[in-house]
Amino acid sequence: EVQLVESGGGLVKPGGSLRLSCAASGFTFSSYSMNWVRQAPGKGLEWVSSISSSSSYIYYADSVKGRFTISRDNAKNSLYLQMNSLRAEDTAVYYCARDGPFMDVWGQGTTVTVSS
Amino acid sequence: SYVLTQPPSVSVAPGQTARITCGGNNIGSKSVHWYQQKPGQAPVLVVYDDSDRPSGIPERFSGSNSGNTATLTISRVEAGDEADYYCQVWDSSSDHPGVFGGGTKLTVL
Repeated sequence: EVQLVESGGGLVKPGGSLRLSCAASGFTFSSYSMNWVRQAPGKGLEWVSSISSSSSYIYYADSVKGRFTISRDNAKNSLYLQMNSLRAEDTAVYYCARDGPFMDVWGQGTTVTVSS
Repeated sequence: SYVLTQPPSVSVAPGQTARITCGGNNIGSKSVHWYQQKPGQAPVLVVYDDSDRPSGIPERFSGSNSGNTATLTISRVEAGDEADYYCQVWDSSSDHPGVFGGGTKLTVL
């Protein structure tokens, strides 16, 4: 079964850091670009970042550029999002999604809450 | 950056046809993908590359794209189709190419 499972969310204070992980299974992870997409409470979907299969191409939304870093480990079938200098507006459910180039497989999401 | 515009809400009676639009500058030149999201759940791809359906998605879901508007059409709407729908494109000319529309809440009356 093709599956993505996110982890690493939690409560963090403004200015703090968090690292999200996404474990992939059931497909050849190293062949696909991957995305992080977030959804603030009661709001729509917001694309956050993308990474190509070999990490050659990396993109960020303006809202997180310079603060978030996407990476992957193809040997471990894992995708990561390092989030630094977190702000209240980063509070959201964070989803990882396989890119095909449409997002055909999504994880269940992990919740990040930034609050003092 | 590229902007996609969706109506906030669309309402339709069961058995009727719902049309959800997604506006963007010359969107007809891009591939548009549509996602369905029900409360508390992750999004699900329902249409990709303007008009193709993933396996398992009913034929009632279809898409079109031309000019400045892409459209998701849901025929013979059922109560279970009530959800938020998002359009999405990849703007390859941009440094931040992932773009979602604001979403449309489909209400089945």
